[in-house]
Amino acid sequence: AQKVTQAQTEISVVEKEDVTLDCVYETRDTTYYLFWYKQPPSGELVFLIRRNSFDEQNEISGRYSWNFQKSTSSFNFTITASQVVDSAVYFCALSPAGGTSYGKLTFGQGTILTVHP
Amino acid sequence: KAGVTQTPRYLIKTRGQQVTLSCSPISGHRSVSWYQQTPGQGLQFLFEYFSETQRNKGNFPGRFSGRQFSNSRSEMNVSTLELGDSALYLCASSSQPTGHPGELFFGEGSRLTVL
Repeated sequence: AQKVTQAQTEISVVEKEDVTLDCVYETRDTTYYLFWYKQPPSGELVFLIRRNSFDEQNEISGRYSWNFQKSTSSFNFTITASQVVDSAVYFCALSPAGGTSYGKLTFGQGTILTVHP
Repeated sequence: KAGVTQTPRYLIKTRGQQVTLSCSPISGHRSVSWYQQTPGQGLQFLFEYFSETQRNKGNFPGRFSGRQFSNSRSEMNVSTLELGDSALYLCASSSQPTGHPGELFFGEGSRLTVL
């Protein structure tokens, strides 16, 4: 069985602060994918990143960066210099690689991020 | 291009009734997945369809069913509604097999309230 744990239920920061969202996962699969999605108030989830279990390189995209550590089963997400528009619910997710499970993700409970001006 | 469209956006039903939700994927996408989102259970996978065939099914009772049509539009049905079925039902499409696994494009959801 797969499991994703986001320990932080809510985080509140002031604009321009850096914030890190934690994600820990459990899986018996040898190959898998990890994801981060953002859910703004409108409701639709927006894909942010996918990481293959074979690729432990960290990734940076603008103000966003992701740290994948297979040894600790963690895939943390950092927003640098946060902005009010970053306020949303962020979900970490996991799926097995291969097969036909393209659309079947196991999501964490989500972290509500509020960025105050 | 147009995103994933879900209808209706909001609906209220009473216990025992049934409901049908509709999802139109992004043009060209042949895979549709459905998720249930509740405050208590979070986001839970319901089922996934590809080319009119159900590929995966989550751990939900048989009251939850779905189908996909030849134009890739999908519907899900919940029969004999219970209070616990109140949730946001999200549909997502993907361009598999040519697209990247797990890169899903979500609609804004159908919010179901069961009284």
